[in-house]
Amino acid sequence: ETGVTQTPRHLVMGMTNKKSLKCEQHLGHNAMYWYKQSAKKPLELMFVYNFKEQTENNSVPSRFSPECPNSSHLFLHLHTLQPEDSALYLCASSQTAPIPGLSYGYTFGSGTRLTVV
Amino acid sequence: AQSVTQLDSHVSVSEGTPVLLRCNYSSSYSPSLFWYVQHPNKGLQLLLKYTSAATLVKGINGFEAEFKKSETSFHLTKPSAHMSDAAEYFCVVSGSGSARQLTFGSGTQLTVLP
Repeated sequence: ETGVTQTPRHLVMGMTNKKSLKCEQHLGHNAMYWYKQSAKKPLELMFVYNFKEQTENNSVPSRFSPECPNSSHLFLHLHTLQPEDSALYLCASSQTAPIPGLSYGYTFGSGTRLTVV
Repeated sequence: AQSVTQLDSHVSVSEGTPVLLRCNYSSSYSPSLFWYVQHPNKGLQLLLKYTSAATLVKGINGFEAEFKKSETSFHLTKPSAHMSDAAEYFCVVSGSGSARQLTFGSGTQLTVLP
């Protein structure tokens, strides 16, 4: 299997549940990202991992907890979510270019459509 | 810091007519620029990228974009729209931080009329 794979594709959870989103990349990239995409809103960067180390947390509420055990896997653990957290959650990966400003681009997964009821 | 502005939130064209999606960027260095496409309930797919080589960049599905430094623009064009082109398009600029993070525009929704 190639590219970036996200599971599950769809998830419905109650506000008291705990669930996890999984992302796996088969591209040998060193950086991985979580994005949130809500209807009528711009794409929101949530977390960045570079060589398994978290390098950015964009003021994301603590009910979202990321985990990056190695450069190929990224998880997003969810607990006590709110209905406004319903969105498409996208994972992406990239290979860091050696020159500032140069980028090879991101490869995105198909996303997990999360509905909080 | 870098930024990107997509000048139109919605564009409608008839099938078979040209497509123009406009993007202006701001950057303090020589950035990489990208266009991504997103079909409903799907992830983002890379259409094309500029990384300081040729200023006219060709991408998939007949799309191309021209990097114009003097105008700080990176507009996306296609000579003849197809129904399958209906989607949301994102213009993206690279950052200079350690993770070379990308900054996404707010998106342009392209509608193709029969």
